[in-house]
Amino acid sequence: GQNIDQPTEMTATEGAIVQINCTYQTSGFNGLFWYQQHAGEAPTFLSYNVLDGLEEKGRFSSFLSRSKGYSYLLLKELQMKDSDSYLCAAYRGTYKYIFGTGTRLKVLA
Amino acid sequence: DADVTQTPRNRITKTGKRIMLECSQTKGHDRMYWYRQDPGLGLRLIYYSFDVKDINKGEISDGYSVSRQAQAKFSLSLESAIPNQTALYFCAVRTGWNTEAFFGQGTRLTVV
Repeated sequence: GQNIDQPTEMTATEGAIVQINCTYQTSGFNGLFWYQQHAGEAPTFLSYNVLDGLEEKGRFSSFLSRSKGYSYLLLKELQMKDSDSYLCAAYRGTYKYIFGTGTRLKVLA
Repeated sequence: DADVTQTPRNRITKTGKRIMLECSQTKGHDRMYWYRQDPGLGLRLIYYSFDVKDINKGEISDGYSVSRQAQAKFSLSLESAIPNQTALYFCAVRTGWNTEAFFGQGTRLTVV
């Protein structure tokens, strides 16, 4: 909704790499956040990008291309516990944080 | 971590009843927010507050009101609950303009 899109569901195998994409409307854009959310629980912050490029944090990395309105979250060495929803959120200034609907990731043994 | 606490965690209420959801935080951050989350719709902003005297409507404020009783407390009220207000409600705080949100545990509200 509100011009930020991500896939609804993805499936991957334990030990593999998965890339979750997020596209957003570029007007007024000031930063991109990724959150992890277990069903029915609070989202928790994973990463933040404001400049183009890759930010790496252990098994998780996030990439941003401002000109293309595109970001992805990369999860390496997938574990069963990574089965969760992943939310991207675009910051457009003042109070405007626009959340995507979330991607449900299923990790299979 | 901002130690954000929401009460109650679960609530079932009847149509037309008034209900209050409470949120408190321990770190003294200025920026507090109320969101609702519905399947397929993502998190949507109801109200936000940048200090005790500053209350602002978000994108879906109709049917809701808020009170910032103190810097640490931000309450959300449904004056006359209706079934389409059944949702998962989150309180959140931020430390600055372009910073991550710290969310409370959520309140699952069901209006029957």
